[in-house]
Amino acid sequence: NAGVTQTPKFRVLKTGQSMTLLCAQDMNHEYMYWYRQDPGMGLRLIHYSVGEGTTAKGEVPDGYNVSRLKKQNFLLGLESAAPSQTSVYFCASNSRTYEQYFGPGTRLTVT
Amino acid sequence: SQQGEEDPQALSIQEGENATMNCSYKTSINNLQWYRQNSGRGLVHLILIRSNEREKHSGRLRVTLDTSKKSSSLLITASRAADTASYFCATDAGGTSYGKLTFGQGTILTVHP
Repeated sequence: NAGVTQTPKFRVLKTGQSMTLLCAQDMNHEYMYWYRQDPGMGLRLIHYSVGEGTTAKGEVPDGYNVSRLKKQNFLLGLESAAPSQTSVYFCASNSRTYEQYFGPGTRLTVT
Repeated sequence: SQQGEEDPQALSIQEGENATMNCSYKTSINNLQWYRQNSGRGLVHLILIRSNEREKHSGRLRVTLDTSKKSSSLLITASRAADTASYFCATDAGGTSYGKLTFGQGTILTVHP
C-alpha cells in the first residue's frame, strides 16, 4: 500500500515552459487536493476534486489547471510556468473522514 | 488567506521538556487538525479535535480547543529529539467544504538532545 505518490520529485523549468505533475493514490479516496507551500508559509490550496471527473478551484488557482480522469489520479498542469510558481507542491487525499494523507511533494524551480 | 495564525513561529527546547504551540483561527469550524512535517517531507496527520470537543489526547499529544476564543493549543510532553519538525494547525469548515483544509503558517520545533 503506497499511499499517495507524486512524480516527479524535482523539476527545473524555464519561464514559459509547461509541465504536468502526477498524483496517484491507492486508498480509493474520493477527495483529492493540490497545495503549494512557500518558504515560511503553510500550505495553500490550488485546486481540489470531490470525485472522478470533477474539479474545483481553491485559494490560489491562477496559472494552474487540473484533471481527474481516473479516481486514483489527480494531475496538476502548468501551461506557461512563471518564476512565481517556484514552490513545493503537495498532493493529498481523503475519504470523508477528515484526515488528509499527503504525498512526499514535488520541488519545482522556474528560472 | 491564511485561516490560522500560529504562535510561536519557532520554539527551541531540551529533550524531556514540554512543547506548547498555539493556533488561532478566524471563522467557524467543524474540526481542527494538527499535522507534522519533517524537513523535506510531506505532512503527517497527528490529531483531530471536533468543534464540540474541548480536549483530546493521543499518546504524548494533548490538544485543546476553545471555540469562543477561536484558538487551539498542541502540547507535546516529554519531547524527544525525533519530535524536531514543523507543526501546522489546519481548520475544516465542514458542510460543503469537502474536507478542504486551511493551514496556519506553522511552528518550527527544535528539540536538542
